[in-house]
Amino acid sequence: SQKIEQNSEALNIQEGKTATLTCNYTNYSPAYLQWYRQDPGRGPVFLLLIRENEKEKRKERLKVTFDTTLKQSLFHITASQPADSATYLCALGDTDKLIFGTGTRLQVFP
Amino acid sequence: GAVVSQHPSWVICKSGTSVKIECRSLDFQATTMFWYRQFPKQSLMLMATSNEGSKATYEQGVEKDKFLINHASLTLSTLTVTSAHPEDSSFYICSAWGLAVETQYFGPGTRLLVL
Repeated sequence: SQKIEQNSEALNIQEGKTATLTCNYTNYSPAYLQWYRQDPGRGPVFLLLIRENEKEKRKERLKVTFDTTLKQSLFHITASQPADSATYLCALGDTDKLIFGTGTRLQVFP
Repeated sequence: GAVVSQHPSWVICKSGTSVKIECRSLDFQATTMFWYRQFPKQSLMLMATSNEGSKATYEQGVEKDKFLINHASLTLSTLTVTSAHPEDSSFYICSAWGLAVETQYFGPGTRLLVL
């Protein structure tokens, strides 16, 4: 069955540094991969989508890479801020259906 | 981005009662809506997929007679938890997908507590 793994431990970084989150998957060849942000008690908020034929995508301070050979995506937040503290979810998709990872909790401290 | 609303945001009910949760896409037509359940510190688990005007497709292990889903229009889907029990207490989240947006946009979630 498909398996998606994200950093199981919380990631703590200092404000201004770059946060890098990892998403690894097995037994799946997704057409695209997405990253969402989820705050406690709230629904996920869509951040970025990257397709299987794309290597990298950027949006403001966010950057996502997608390596279909390694079956891995990296999610970077540059110049991190305390407001970036949240849980970040990786999701793999084919057509309109998504499979979610367990998420990585990011804590940015001043 | 696209907006999806969910109502109510939280509900407390007695065991044995039924609870209805509404999910609306406010500024796009959602050909497909999804219902998820999330337990504390766990990932989102897909419960069912619904397409407008047709029966919902349930994931393995989800009782279709307990979790009734109706997708009556391109902007509205409802989830009814029938005869709710304490083990049904969870965070229920809907999402909507449409050709115009090409991704899933999520509602804010509904916290259900069954006493």
